[in-house]
Amino acid sequence: QQPVQSPQAVILREGEDAVINCSSSKALYSVHWYRQKHGEAPVFLMILLKGGEQKGHDKISASFNEKKQQSSLYLTASQLSYSGTYFCGTENGSSNTGKLIFGQGTTLQVKP
Amino acid sequence: NAGVTQTPKFQVLKTGQSMTLQCAQDMNHNSMYWYRQDPGMGLRLIYYSASEGTTDKGEVPNGYNVSRLNKREFSLRLESAAPSQTSVYFCASSVRVALGYTFGSGTRLTVV
Repeated sequence: QQPVQSPQAVILREGEDAVINCSSSKALYSVHWYRQKHGEAPVFLMILLKGGEQKGHDKISASFNEKKQQSSLYLTASQLSYSGTYFCGTENGSSNTGKLIFGQGTTLQVKP
Repeated sequence: NAGVTQTPKFQVLKTGQSMTLQCAQDMNHNSMYWYRQDPGMGLRLIYYSASEGTTDKGEVPNGYNVSRLNKREFSLRLESAAPSQTSVYFCASSVRVALGYTFGSGTRLTVV
């Protein structure tokens, strides 16, 4: 079953922060985050494994709440280059199968 | 280092025609995947191959067949194209899920 992302779209000014949420009705083994710019392929950002870890690089980080079956992506001090559509991909069950089910995406637009 | 290569980039088919989408990766990845992307639907898994010689259905396999020809190549075949198969098709590969997927640049298919 497809995870649900919220919000569907967000518009920011440069320097503002954003949070994108990803919720699943099934137990999760891992959550992936990808960013896709218009007309391009999705690009891998990070993966979070069950255990409730938090990860990040640069000003983009994410958390994974296994009990709530939710993950959140945090973008701080947004830059123009952050614009694009963000997808979470979830891996269900108890093993690392590699099969991802993606959410419907959240479109982020950062304005000067 | 080409990564994941998909051919063709664009294709127009008439209803009922058949065609094969090609995908090849040069990263020695074990797992390969085919997704379709439609507006507002995110990425939906069609078929995947966890390793050479194995294939499995994803969320939306009807109307498609796949072949994992060798470790490098994973093709997707439409036997009798329908307008509902108009979409952007992405091939992806991974060596270990924890390192994320690498996506190809996509094939934009229109069925008229």
